[in-house]
Amino acid sequence: DQQVKQNSPSLSVQEGRISILNCDYTNSMFDYFLWYKKYPAEGPTFLISISSIKDKNEDGRFTVFLNKSAKHLSLHIVPSQPGDSAVYFCAASAPYSGAGSYQLTFGKGTKLSVIP
Amino acid sequence: DTGVSQDPRHKITKRGQNVTFRCDPISEHNRLYWYRQTLGQGPEFLTYFQNEAQLEKSRLLSDRFSAERPKGSFSTLEIQRTEQGDSAMYLCASSYTGTGEGNEKLFFGSGTQLSVL
Repeated sequence: DQQVKQNSPSLSVQEGRISILNCDYTNSMFDYFLWYKKYPAEGPTFLISISSIKDKNEDGRFTVFLNKSAKHLSLHIVPSQPGDSAVYFCAASAPYSGAGSYQLTFGKGTKLSVIP
Repeated sequence: DTGVSQDPRHKITKRGQNVTFRCDPISEHNRLYWYRQTLGQGPEFLTYFQNEAQLEKSRLLSDRFSAERPKGSFSTLEIQRTEQGDSAMYLCASSYTGTGEGNEKLFFGSGTQLSVL
């Protein structure tokens, strides 16, 4: 039962164009969403996050959009650069519950290739 | 601050052997997590420490797995009697929260790639 789904295993984009990576979730308790970027043989690196009280968060070339009613979020990268080529993971968390853990639930990732 | 450090980066072992991995979190971080990632999957939660207390374990963490975080600093993850299905990247992450309000960003190490032959 995948609670966070990234339905596109891969995406190819020309350098300078927009990259749009999509993520869907099923757990309505999720209220915080993150995108991580991962290079081969490295751990995930935090990229950008959004709280459920917002519908957009922007950081430089990266913008995350959240549509709560559709349980959908997307990451936009503009303009795309060859160095952006990596696997991008969408992750989500539910509210912290006292002594309980703060778990991130990850999607399977989308491999982005930016072609020079 | 050099980030989350994991050792070793790679480990090859024979089935049935025991292995131990180490994680040094970012120094001021009070929370430490272990995740496992297999090929084609996202990281999956294994266990979590707040300071030295292990507060939660995933059902993925069988009784062959044990994790410790003595004195709330570094952590070790031991796998006893390794099986081929244990082959994966084991990721450590840390975070800090002073108020316990959540919305934390986890900072991951580079992982330990385990291959069980």
